[in-house]
Amino acid sequence: GAGVSQSPRYKVAKRGQDVALRCDPISGHVSLFWYQQALGQGPEFLTYFQNEAQLDKSGLPSDRFFAERPEGSVSTLKIQRTQQEDSAVYLCASSASRGAATQETQYFGPGTRLLVL
Amino acid sequence: KQEVTQIPAALSVPEGENLVLNCSFTDSAIYNLQWFRQDPGKGLTSLLLIQSSQREQTSGRLNASLDKSSGRSTLYIAASQPGDSATYLCAVRGTGGFKTIFGAGTRLFVKA
Repeated sequence: GAGVSQSPRYKVAKRGQDVALRCDPISGHVSLFWYQQALGQGPEFLTYFQNEAQLDKSGLPSDRFFAERPEGSVSTLKIQRTQQEDSAVYLCASSASRGAATQETQYFGPGTRLLVL
Repeated sequence: KQEVTQIPAALSVPEGENLVLNCSFTDSAIYNLQWFRQDPGKGLTSLLLIQSSQREQTSGRLNASLDKSSGRSTLYIAASQPGDSATYLCAVRGTGGFKTIFGAGTRLFVKA
């Protein structure tokens, strides 16, 4: 596609519900990143994929958060048993480079705004 | 642990003014530094990426500099326009992994 797309754009969940957020990166992009952005803050790194391999998940805040990219393209971020503190915008970004390269412009999707009541 | 700080947090200027946004980072072991723009309710748009071996990058009215040894970068916007109103974010990619660390951003408002 022309850019990174994310769905849904908005999600309201009751506390304790499970949610799944989808990211469609730019076609052919090797690297995929997930970020969490709280109101008034910069994005915080959650996890990184190189093709289908999850090479860094150090930013995932708890074991309720799980991400996958089984075929090296579309990725899903799943949050189990959502809590109010999970309310944030979840951003996905993709890059053509292989993670360690110095040229690494990241292209961001519009984000999914999650509200947990 | 890498920390990125942006000053000022918010800035309001009249149209036509030249301005400078500041970014500082605590660990100089970086691969690159990137400046982004974020409009309300939208994702981030990359403006400039500076590799660790570079000193500056330019695109149109934008110029970004990098002084890795002092842990500083500046984004210079010439002849500001109301359409430049947005939040500007600085982000560094460290050499120790795949994380990109963002600052909290500078909210810019350019008055017509």
